[in-house]
Amino acid sequence: DAKTTQPPSMDCAEGRAANLPCNHSTISGNEYVYWYRQIHSQGPQYIIHGLKNNETNEMASLIITEDRKSSTLILPHATLRDTAVYYCIVTGQGAQKLVFGQGTRLTINP
Amino acid sequence: DVKVTQSSRYLVKRTGEKVFLECVQDMDHENMFWYRQDPGLGLRLIYFSYDVKMKEKGDIPEGYSVSREKKERFSLILESASTNQTSMYLCASRGAARSTDTQYFGPGTRLTVL
Repeated sequence: DAKTTQPPSMDCAEGRAANLPCNHSTISGNEYVYWYRQIHSQGPQYIIHGLKNNETNEMASLIITEDRKSSTLILPHATLRDTAVYYCIVTGQGAQKLVFGQGTRLTINP
Repeated sequence: DVKVTQSSRYLVKRTGEKVFLECVQDMDHENMFWYRQDPGLGLRLIYFSYDVKMKEKGDIPEGYSVSREKKERFSLILESASTNQTSMYLCASRGAARSTDTQYFGPGTRLTVL
């Protein structure tokens, strides 16, 4: 079972920052937070991951709270191509599988 | 740039046919995975392989087999396709377990069994 809770859907205006929340209150000390997204009929795309510290790459930023019980994925300047289902996943090192929950369906509006 | 490719994006087969789905990765990854994705059920792990010729069952291996003869290639085999195997099949690969071990996915194969 997924260890995360995400809102089922969100909307964001094109050009604005999209902030996607995720609760993972039962995360353990050696588990990472991963974010993937899936555009319709395509395979999941890796976005970013983190353990304790905030992380940033060319796609997004990941903000993890100090108690690690929640995190926020930030897409700084959302475009129409960012419309997708976004999955927050908590997983340990070397885990055999990724457990995808229902994710958040993000719609970017023109 | 990481690359996982799957042999077909769309496939239509008939009940009872033997079906081969192929996955190739160019990242020299040790671990490879096959999932299926169905509406409302999320991704479910069918099989994975942690080395050449090695395989482990996932959560739903029934009706499937796999083959890993070369490090870069992992094949999923449906011995006798059935309509309940109509699904999106996703292949993924991952390097050896270290502090960061991201799984990278292929584009998926949408299989329809008639």
